[in-house]
Amino acid sequence: ETGVTQTPRHLVMGMTNKKSLKCEQHLGHNAMYWYKQSAKKPLELMFVYNFKEQTENNSVPSRFSPECPNSSHLFLHLHTLQPEDSALYLCASSQAGVFNYGYTFGSGTRLTVV
Amino acid sequence: ELKVEQNPLFLSMQEGKNYTIYCNYSTTSDRLYWYRQDPGKSLESLFVLLSNGAVKQEGRLMASLDTKARLSTLHITAAVHDLSATYFCAVGDRDDKIIFGKGTRLHILP
Repeated sequence: ETGVTQTPRHLVMGMTNKKSLKCEQHLGHNAMYWYKQSAKKPLELMFVYNFKEQTENNSVPSRFSPECPNSSHLFLHLHTLQPEDSALYLCASSQAGVFNYGYTFGSGTRLTVV
Repeated sequence: ELKVEQNPLFLSMQEGKNYTIYCNYSTTSDRLYWYRQDPGKSLESLFVLLSNGAVKQEGRLMASLDTKARLSTLHITAAVHDLSATYFCAVGDRDDKIIFGKGTRLHILP
């Protein structure tokens, strides 16, 4: 495996369900990110993790809960979501610091809340 | 607060024509990125521009950066249908964050 891998690729969940999105990076990067992409707002930064520590939470509702157990793995735990949370969720990683050549994105998880 | 503006947001053009997408940003930065996104797919890195006057080219696409004007351009030469996609400009902010523009949806007509 190379690059940034996200699973699952597609997810349909009811508003009372609990599910998790998984992201794994094989690039040796030290920072990871969750983005939400919807038709209304092209790219919304949700969470930033630097060296496993959360450094940014962009006023994301508590029904989204991130977890970063190590610098290679990032999760997004979902519970009691709303239909407006349906979107493409993208994970990205980067090498924070002098050699930041930008983000490498995963393929995304297409989430539909019914 | 760093803001990134792209224009146009939507561009429909004929094959064989040339066009330019503009990216303006509001505060000083020396890191600028261009990404491509195909419908339903993820973002693919196209160019990384790290200094004033940087110019990079890949096929029919050429990107440049003017940090004094806070402006980057993505120039398309002799467009072909395969270049139809959404192009995002992104600018490096403090704390290693990258701020994205709204994207330019490019539609190239045969």
